[in-house]
Amino acid sequence: AQSVTQPDIHITVSEGASLELRCNYSYGATPYLFWYVQSPGQGLQLLLKYFSGDTLVQGIKGFEAEFKRSQSSFNLRKPSVHWSDAAEYFCAVGGRGGGNKLTFGTGTQLKVEL
Amino acid sequence: KAGVTQTPRYLIKTRGQQVTLSCSPISGHRSVSWYQQTPGQGLQFLFEYFSETQRNKGNFPGRFSGRQFSNSRSEMNVSTLELGDSALYLCASSLQAGGDTDTQYFGPGTRLTVL
Repeated sequence: AQSVTQPDIHITVSEGASLELRCNYSYGATPYLFWYVQSPGQGLQLLLKYFSGDTLVQGIKGFEAEFKRSQSSFNLRKPSVHWSDAAEYFCAVGGRGGGNKLTFGTGTQLKVEL
Repeated sequence: KAGVTQTPRYLIKTRGQQVTLSCSPISGHRSVSWYQQTPGQGLQFLFEYFSETQRNKGNFPGRFSGRQFSNSRSEMNVSTLELGDSALYLCASSLQAGGDTDTQYFGPGTRLTVL
């Protein structure tokens, strides 16, 4: 069965500092990986995705993620965090033969200190 | 291009009632998936529809059902509401459905409160 682990429930960073959110997955076939962001009372916005190819993927709002098959990880990074990045971040996995069913992690709540 | 729209945005119902939520996908998208989001269980897949057929189903009781119309709009229905059904219900649309996961774009959700 597929699963996603986001080990950090809450993270606090100072504005301008770098950010890394961790995501580990388990998937029986070739994984397709996604990061979404959710602001309070809102839906999910797609930040970036990885299907194949270059393992470092760029997304919107200056985010990037690196796929590491050997570590079953897909960590999200941003070099300099802005106060508007405060939100909840979700990692999700689907993949080959999985249809459009996404399995989500429990999310990481990001707080940005000014 | 307009995004995924969901109506209504907020609903308050009482136990035992039933409710219908609506989702209009991005123009040209033919697959619609539904997810339930609660503080305790997180984001959980309910079901997916493509070409008016249910393609995939999550682990939810039969009280949860859905359908899709020929214009790809989808509805989900919850009968005999329970307090635990209080949640944010999210709809996602994808261009296609098949063996592999396609990119999903989410709507703003419908917040259901069961009293």
